[in-house]
Amino acid sequence: QVYLQESGPGLVKSSGTLSLTCTVSGAYIRSYNWWSWVRQSPGQGLEWIGEVHHSGSTNYNPSLESRVTISVDKSRNQFSLRMNSVTAADTAVYYCARDKREQMGPIDYYYGLDVWGPGTTVIVS
Amino acid sequence: QSLLTQPPSASGTPGQRVTISCSGTSSSLELNSIYWYQRLPGMVPKLLISKTSQRPSGVPDRFSASKSGTSGSLAIDGLRSEDEGDYFCAAWDDSVSGWVFGGGTKLTVL
Repeated sequence: QVYLQESGPGLVKSSGTLSLTCTVSGAYIRSYNWWSWVRQSPGQGLEWIGEVHHSGSTNYNPSLESRVTISVDKSRNQFSLRMNSVTAADTAVYYCARDKREQMGPIDYYYGLDVWGPGTTVIVS
Repeated sequence: QSLLTQPPSASGTPGQRVTISCSGTSSSLELNSIYWYQRLPGMVPKLLISKTSQRPSGVPDRFSASKSGTSGSLAIDGLRSEDEGDYFCAAWDDSVSGWVFGGGTKLTVL
C-alpha cells in the first residue's frame, strides 16, 4: 500500500515562502512515476501546481511557475514544494499525489493521480 | 482559471442516472485521455476514472465515462446518497505540459 504524507508549516506570512514536504512510503520515489502537488483554495476547484520526476525533471503550472520550485530527495523518499511571494490567494489545502505512469516501448501511459496524501491546510496571513 | 469547463452543479434522485459534462481544448481532451476525480465531503480526492473509461480497483461499475473530440462525460447509474460530493474532470494538456482540471461539479442527491 502506498501512502503519502504532507508536512510543513500551517501558517505563512504574506510575501514569505511556503515550504511543504511529501513523504512517500510503500513505494520507491525512484520509479517511472511522477510526483505532483495540487491545491484547493476555499470554495474553489482543484489546481495542479506542478510535478517532479526522480531524475529531477519538473513540469509546472504556467500560472505559478515563476514562484514555484518542486524538488526531490531520493535518499529520504520525499519530494518538496517551495512557493515564494505568497499572498492570501495562496491559502489552500495542499495535496501531494502520485502521478502514475508506465512506459511501454516508446509510449508513455498516463494513469492519473492515483494516490493522494491527506492534505495540509496552509493559511497565508 | 480552469481550462476544462464543467457545469457547477448537478442533481438527481436516488436510483436515477446522472451525467456530468466536461469540455476542453484540442491540446487537452482531443489529444489525450480524460480523468475523473471524486471528492466526497471531508475526504481526499479519489481517482474515479482513468484513461477516459477505466475504473480503478474498487470503483463500482455504476460509474462510467466517455469522450468524443474535445468533450467528455461522466455517468452515474443508480444514484446513491453517498455519491453526493464534488466531481472534477482532468486531462494532460500538451500545450502546457501539465495537468488541467475542470472547475468541479457539485452533485446533490435529492
